[in-house]
Amino acid sequence: GNSVTQMEGPVTLSEEAFLTINCTYTATGYPSLFWYVQYPGEGLQLLLKATKADDKGSNKGFEATYRKETTSFHLEKGSVQVSDSAVYFCALNPDTGRRALTFGSGTRLQVQP
Amino acid sequence: SQTIHQWPATLVQPVGSPLSLECTVEGTSNPNLYWYRQAAGRGLQLLFYSVGIGQISSEVPQNLSASRPQDRQFILSSKKLLLSDSGFYLCAWKRRGRNEQYFGPGTRLTVT
Repeated sequence: GNSVTQMEGPVTLSEEAFLTINCTYTATGYPSLFWYVQYPGEGLQLLLKATKADDKGSNKGFEATYRKETTSFHLEKGSVQVSDSAVYFCALNPDTGRRALTFGSGTRLQVQP
Repeated sequence: SQTIHQWPATLVQPVGSPLSLECTVEGTSNPNLYWYRQAAGRGLQLLFYSVGIGQISSEVPQNLSASRPQDRQFILSSKKLLLSDSGFYLCAWKRRGRNEQYFGPGTRLTVT
C-alpha cells in the first residue's frame, strides 16, 4: 500500500536558520506529492506540489524536489521566520481518481526569534 | 474563486448525543468531497469520500455516517457520540482530474 514517513518533531530553529523536513514515501507507479501547512487552530493549506520525477515545487520561499530514485520529497527553506511556525504535512496521491491523499504524521516547526 | 465552509467552528457535546457537521463548497461543480479527522497531536485519518450526490464511500467503520444531499454539500453525522469521537474534523474538496485537495477551516469537536 501507499505510505508517507516524515521526520518526527518538533523541529526548533532560530529565525533565519535553514530548514529541512524529511519526507519519504512508498507507492506504486508515479504518485503526485504535496506539502501542506497547518497553522494553530486552522485547516490545512496547500503549500506546494510536484507531479513527476525531478519536478521542483516552490512557494513562499519553500522548495521540495520529487526524487524518484530515493523516493523522497524533502521540504527546504533557506531562511525561516517566526511566522513559519506551524505543522507541516507531506502527502501523496497515487492518481487523479477518487482516492484521497495519504498523509504523513506531520512535523511541528517552532521558530524562535 | 473557490471557497469551502465548515460549521460550526467548535462544538462541545455530551456522550450519547447526536452530531451534524456541515461542509459546503462554492465556486465549483461536481467536486470530490472528503471528511478527515485529526486526533490531538496526530495525522489525518480519512473517514468518508464522495464522488457525487448520494454516493458515499466509508474508509473506517465506526459510529459516524456521511451524506451528500446536494452537489456541493457534505454532512457528517452520528446518532450517538462516543468520547473517542473528539477531534478536529476537516472537510476537503478536489476537482475532477486533478490531484490536489483543498481544505476547510475545520470543526473542533469535544465530546464530554
